[in-house]
Amino acid sequence: DTEVTQTPKHLVMGMTNKKSLKCEQHMGHRAMYWYKQKAKKPPELMFVYSYEKLSINESVPSRFSPECPNSSLLNLHLHALQPEDSALYLCASSNQGAGGTEAFFGQGTRLTVV
Amino acid sequence: KQEVTQIPAALSVPEGENLVLNCSFTDSAIYNLQWFRQDPGKGLTSLLLIQSSQREQTSGRLNASLDKSSGRSTLYIAASQPGDSATYLCAVSGNTPLVFGKGTRLSVIA
Repeated sequence: DTEVTQTPKHLVMGMTNKKSLKCEQHMGHRAMYWYKQKAKKPPELMFVYSYEKLSINESVPSRFSPECPNSSLLNLHLHALQPEDSALYLCASSNQGAGGTEAFFGQGTRLTVV
Repeated sequence: KQEVTQIPAALSVPEGENLVLNCSFTDSAIYNLQWFRQDPGKGLTSLLLIQSSQREQTSGRLNASLDKSSGRSTLYIAASQPGDSATYLCAVSGNTPLVFGKGTRLSVIA
């Protein structure tokens, strides 16, 4: 099983809402990632968790709050977002941290902020 | 800072043609290079992973090569099909997680 599952697939939220994106993998991977992808652009790294600890935060605004409850789950909590935060949010996992083995991506959550 | 460039940005070919997508990176100190496929509005599907010690990898009609010293990789697609139409992304990892190129948007015309 090389599947990374993301929920929900689509999300529309107002600028005052609080919502969460969820990601799950059962490959035993110890590194998990959040990427943000705008239309016709490559994915950009947001956060990396390695062995359930936040190891990289690419200067992401505090309105995005990651959480790794256990080695299989990764959440991204959203609060007070702006319309420019609308994008495809991708979760990924790999066997090790930065520079590790093959990375597997989920199908993404399409987020629209209104 | 690692930078990844993909050429061409877009490519349109008739069905059955063999084609080559190019990827270059500025820092040769990489651990691996990965090629992905992305359909519109969808996630990334891993196609091939080349470890830094390897020269090439093959999967079906796909063959990827890596020349680490020159900072180049190519993805060769044989006998292209309309179902191959997608964006192909190259990404490298080293001391930092995957850094992506902007992709090549491929259209295979029946």
